[in-house]
Amino acid sequence: SAVISQKPSRDICQRGTSLTIQCQVDSQVTMMFWYRQQPGQSLTLIATANQGSEATYESGFVIDKFPISRPNLTFSTLTVSNMSPEDSSIYLCSVVQNEAFFGQGTRLTVV
Amino acid sequence: AQRVTQPEKLLSVFKGAPVELKCNYSYSGSPELFWYVQYSRQRLQLLLRHISRESIKGFTADLNKGETSFHLKKPFAQEEDSAMYYCALTDGQNFVFGPGTRLSVLP
Repeated sequence: SAVISQKPSRDICQRGTSLTIQCQVDSQVTMMFWYRQQPGQSLTLIATANQGSEATYESGFVIDKFPISRPNLTFSTLTVSNMSPEDSSIYLCSVVQNEAFFGQGTRLTVV
Repeated sequence: AQRVTQPEKLLSVFKGAPVELKCNYSYSGSPELFWYVQYSRQRLQLLLRHISRESIKGFTADLNKGETSFHLKKPFAQEEDSAMYYCALTDGQNFVFGPGTRLSVLP
């Protein structure tokens, strides 16, 4: 199994600012996934982060808004840039090792 | 294209009653199906997967390829089963999650 540490667990941010979320895995993985989860709703995949190459973004998500870093096989960051209240959500990182494992999530509130 | 549907957004049952959370999928290959659960203030975690064919916390799910379904069942619901449940499938690399069903077990 994979253990994922994600931080911060929550933050309240001013509109127009940026927040970087960190995700650390206790084992090496090729791909890391970033999701957005509206409270009580489903998971929406933002992007897939591969080590050594640019992240692959899903429809509706762009690199300028959600830049991702993947410096090594155990770590990734997601930045939510130029935030607006619509970005308020829970952001999750995930890895797959026979099953999907998730971080505890970052609850972001933009005011 | 891969797709997972869960028709019920919210399901409320009384304690001790049977519960069934529905899941249907569309996938051209041979899918691997999962149920994930998220209890209040906890992270999303695996509940069960179809290939293991086991019962977890009294829950079972049978893959029906003819009906392309993977419904989650429990004969007697408990209050601690109240949570958000997500059906998911994978092609081995990417996971596709359903919209989720919130199960509320009433005392």
